[in-house]
Amino acid sequence: GAVVSQHPSWVICKSGTSVKIECRSLDFQATTMFWYRQFPKQSLMLMATSNEGSKATYEQGVEKDKFLINHASLTLSTLTVTSAHPEDSSFYICSVRTQGRGSPQHFGDGTRLSIL
Amino acid sequence: GENVEQHPSTLSVQEGDSAVIKCTYSDSASNYFPWYKQELGKGPQLIIDIRSNVGEKKDQRIAVTLNKTAKHFSLHITETQPEDSAVYFCAADTSGTYKYIFGTGTRLKVLA
Repeated sequence: GAVVSQHPSWVICKSGTSVKIECRSLDFQATTMFWYRQFPKQSLMLMATSNEGSKATYEQGVEKDKFLINHASLTLSTLTVTSAHPEDSSFYICSVRTQGRGSPQHFGDGTRLSIL
Repeated sequence: GENVEQHPSTLSVQEGDSAVIKCTYSDSASNYFPWYKQELGKGPQLIIDIRSNVGEKKDQRIAVTLNKTAKHFSLHITETQPEDSAVYFCAADTSGTYKYIFGTGTRLKVLA
């Protein structure tokens, strides 16, 4: 399966700052990447689908101005949490889909974001 | 909307025993069902998957069964080991999209 790298793995910052999380597909050119959010002891919640060269598709209830997604190349998608507040603290995970429908998604190891 | 129910939420078994986790999905057009294992502080790792044209798939100690009529699928782990302890998520794809709907997760604890 695809190897997915996320950076940073852990970040702590003050309220009001913006934080950028990178998701890299190391061995596969991904036209589609997914961004998830996971609260402690809960399931994965899809935030948005990141499409290379076009605008991301956000799930209902996810603020696109708060969570900026850029997928400028086939190997890199970034999620920027703008003006972060304590309620944005969470575990953010990206995944890569290697083929069409009916193919597995391969996940990165996530980024733990803590906003003070 | 579509949803996936997963049971149990927690499961404790003795080392060497079997563990079974069950999921039910609502979208009759779903045709791909992966299972993921998530260890603490890590992202989910794909452990096995099944497509709708297959009723059962096995990979060493892990097997998945699918009943399309009942819209059930299950994960079976035999001869459990302490390193099997983790949170397991089932998922189903959704008709017309590439998105997964995830189950709520099962925390498996294998007691040595």
